[in-house]
Amino acid sequence: EVQLLESGGGLVKPGGSLRLSCAGSGFTFSNYVISWVRQAPGKGLEWVSGVSGSGGTTYYAVSVKGRFTISRDNFKNTVYLQMNSLRAEDTALYFCAKVDQEHLLLRSFDSWGQGTLVTVSS
Amino acid sequence: SYVLTQPPSVSVAPGQTARISCGGNSVGSKSVHWYQQKPGQAPVLVVYDDNDRPSGIPERISGSNSGNTATLTISRVEAGDEADYYCQVWHSSDDHRGVFGGGTKLTVL
Repeated sequence: EVQLLESGGGLVKPGGSLRLSCAGSGFTFSNYVISWVRQAPGKGLEWVSGVSGSGGTTYYAVSVKGRFTISRDNFKNTVYLQMNSLRAEDTALYFCAKVDQEHLLLRSFDSWGQGTLVTVSS
Repeated sequence: SYVLTQPPSVSVAPGQTARISCGGNSVGSKSVHWYQQKPGQAPVLVVYDDNDRPSGIPERISGSNSGNTATLTISRVEAGDEADYYCQVWHSSDDHRGVFGGGTKLTVL
């Protein structure tokens, strides 16, 4: 069974940093693109970032480019999202999601974690 | 940037057909994916590549995509279909970015 488990969320002050983790199991982790998708309280879904299976290619939304860094450790079956210079508008539930086909980026998300909550507030 | 436009809400009586639109510039040239999200839960993929269903998704749920509008159709609507629905594409200009529609709340009357 495919599982994705996010962790690392919490309360952080504006301008602060946080690192999220997404641990995957039940599939050949290194073969799949993993993305982060966030959802602000009461709002819709927003794609944040994605990383290729090897970790060599990364993609970012305009809203986070230059502040967030995505990476992965395939030995630990984990994808990370390093979030710096956090703003109030980054407050959201952060999901990680796996695409449905190996080695491809531009695909649908067929498995999702339950999310980890990030709150940016003074 | 690429924008997908969905109606904020759609209401339908049980047993009727719900249609949720997703508008975007030449969206017909892209693959559209649809997700269902119930309160407090993670999204679930219900349609991928315009009109394919993952295993376990009932045939009552279908999709279409042409021109500037993609549509999710739910036939014989049930109370359990009440949820938020999001369309999603990938937009590739100077880079590849995921794009979600704003979401549609389906209410079963």
